[in-house]
Amino acid sequence: DTEVTQTPKHLVMGMTNKKSLKCEQHMGHRAMYWYKQKAKKPPELMFVYSYEKLSINESVPSRFSPECPNSSLLNLHLHALQPEDSALYLCASSQVGEGPRNEQFFGPGTRLTVL
Amino acid sequence: GQQLNQSPQSMFIQEGEDVSMNCTSSSIFNTWLWYKQDPGEGPVLLIALYKAGELTSNGRLTAQFGITRKDSFLNISASIPSDVGIYFCAGQPGGSQGNLIFGKGTKLSVKP
Repeated sequence: DTEVTQTPKHLVMGMTNKKSLKCEQHMGHRAMYWYKQKAKKPPELMFVYSYEKLSINESVPSRFSPECPNSSLLNLHLHALQPEDSALYLCASSQVGEGPRNEQFFGPGTRLTVL
Repeated sequence: GQQLNQSPQSMFIQEGEDVSMNCTSSSIFNTWLWYKQDPGEGPVLLIALYKAGELTSNGRLTAQFGITRKDSFLNISASIPSDVGIYFCAGQPGGSQGNLIFGKGTKLSVKP
């Protein structure tokens, strides 16, 4: 299985809602990532988990809360978002280490709209 | 912070033509990756490069890791309509788990 899956595909939420994005991989990868991508821009790194521990937080606002319950799953909990947070949220995974282990495989993304 | 310069920003070509795009950096990378992204989808890894001077092919795609480790190019030969999309280069500095630096992308349009 060489696939990263993400649910839901689309999400519309109000600024007072609480929702979660989910990501799953079964490639045995021990590094997982959250990216945010705005239209016509490259992906921007938000968080990195390595061996289920948060290793990088790119100064992301606390209204985004990541969670890695096990080596196959990655969640992103959303609360009190702003309309400017509307974007495509991408999950990726890779092995941990240098060289070929750096290859990141992306999921299809969740298109988030905040009203 | 580190930045990648990717060019061209966009290309409009005729089906059957060859395509070339490149990325340059002011600093050294240990890994270069090339991705393709279709609208509303996640990036798909096309080619990965790990050694300076390395030349790697994947079907009609060929990519090279520059000898100075500060640049990479991607060539697509005999383009077809399904090559349409945005191509991103991404480089990774040594010793930085997860820290992929992305280029701004090259949007490819192919006229049948």
